[in-house]
Amino acid sequence: DQQVKQNSPSLSVQEGRISILNCDYTNSMFDYFLWYKKYPAEGPTFLISISSIKDKNEDGRFTVFLNKSAKHLSLHIVPSQPGDSAVYFCAATGGFKTIFGAGTRLFVKA
Amino acid sequence: DAGVIQSPRHEVTEMGQEVTLRCKPISGHNSLFWYRQTMMRGLELLIYFNNNVPIDDSGMPEDRFSAKMPNASFSTLKIQPSEPRDSAVYFCASSFGGEHTGELFFGEGSRLTVL
Repeated sequence: DQQVKQNSPSLSVQEGRISILNCDYTNSMFDYFLWYKKYPAEGPTFLISISSIKDKNEDGRFTVFLNKSAKHLSLHIVPSQPGDSAVYFCAATGGFKTIFGAGTRLFVKA
Repeated sequence: DAGVIQSPRHEVTEMGQEVTLRCKPISGHNSLFWYRQTMMRGLELLIYFNNNVPIDDSGMPEDRFSAKMPNASFSTLKIQPSEPRDSAVYFCASSFGGEHTGELFFGEGSRLTVL
């Protein structure tokens, strides 16, 4: 029973262009939604989050959009840089649990 | 400040052997989580502790897995006996705060290979 789904295992983008990573969820009771970034041989690191009462949160090149009616969130990275190449995990929190998606590997080509 | 510290970083063992993974959370954090990362299932929550007490262990796959947190600065995840399908990267994470916003601080992980 996957409550948080990332249907694209990988995404390739040209440097300078926009990267859009998508995530769907099934539980309408989640309080917060987050994106984590993971480099090889390292643990995931928190990137950006959004409360369930908001629909957009922006931090520099990173913007997260939340569409509650569609149970969908997305992460936009503009402009994409080669250093953004990593695995991105979507996550959602309800109560004390943080549930992660399977991850999307982003390749940013120079 | 030191982050979450996990040991060992790599473990290779044979089927049937006992495996113990260790975690030191960030000082002052009152919540600790064990996750497992596999290609098929991504990051799965295994168990969650709050103030050293196990709150939810519904993610622990079977009785071969056990976890303890004897004090605020140490936790272990034990697999006994280990099986090849347990091969994965095991992450420990900690957080602080009454309202759980989901912002976790992860260790670098322990890569387990069971032959």
